[in-house]
Amino acid sequence: DGGITQSPKYLFRKEGQNVTLSCEQNLNHDAMYWYRQDPGQGLRLIYYSQIVNDFQKGDIAEGYSVSREKKESFPLTVTSAQKNPTAFYLCASSIMEGISGNTIYFGEGSWLTVV
Amino acid sequence: AQTVTQSQPEMSVQEAETVTLSCTYDTSESDYYLFWYKQPPSRQMILVIRQEAYKQQNATENRFSVNFQKAAKSFSLKISDSQLGDAAMYFCAYGDDKIIFGKGTRLHILP
Repeated sequence: DGGITQSPKYLFRKEGQNVTLSCEQNLNHDAMYWYRQDPGQGLRLIYYSQIVNDFQKGDIAEGYSVSREKKESFPLTVTSAQKNPTAFYLCASSIMEGISGNTIYFGEGSWLTVV
Repeated sequence: AQTVTQSQPEMSVQEAETVTLSCTYDTSESDYYLFWYKQPPSRQMILVIRQEAYKQQNATENRFSVNFQKAAKSFSLKISDSQLGDAAMYFCAYGDDKIIFGKGTRLHILP
């Protein structure tokens, strides 16, 4: 089945550690996104990428890093510089053209907790 | 920068009644997309309805319809014949080269 796969679903991080959240899509979508969701904050954009080897910062990029070496993959690293990383993280993707252009589809999300 | 505002943090509606969720946005662009997404307790984001800004006709999907007022930068969602399964968080979103979301409205359905 086509879709967006995020892993792991639950992740615990110790203070000072970097962790990487995986996001893979087999929808042949051009663009990929990472959002963070906190209670009462809605979804906030961390990073997005419209083509391979290129990405842009969103509204809350500090303390995060990404790479886009392959069209289907867009991993997010939460670095030790992110002071409050406990949140629900959503990966999404979209095509950029055609009747469904710009509609984004989401993975099931990953919960990150700092212990 | 573009912004999306949902002024109703929570709403309630009686089952089988109609409810309207409000959304306003700010942009200087003329060509863009608008969306409503539903997030049930499972946290899975589900697309409810999509509107292209260049189309004057309001989008509809079964019991869901929008009132798109481009000049007023308003994009409200109407849910007709509300059902218990409609209970969820609803997010309004704006998209051009990136997609940004409002803070959401939690909708309760009263049996």
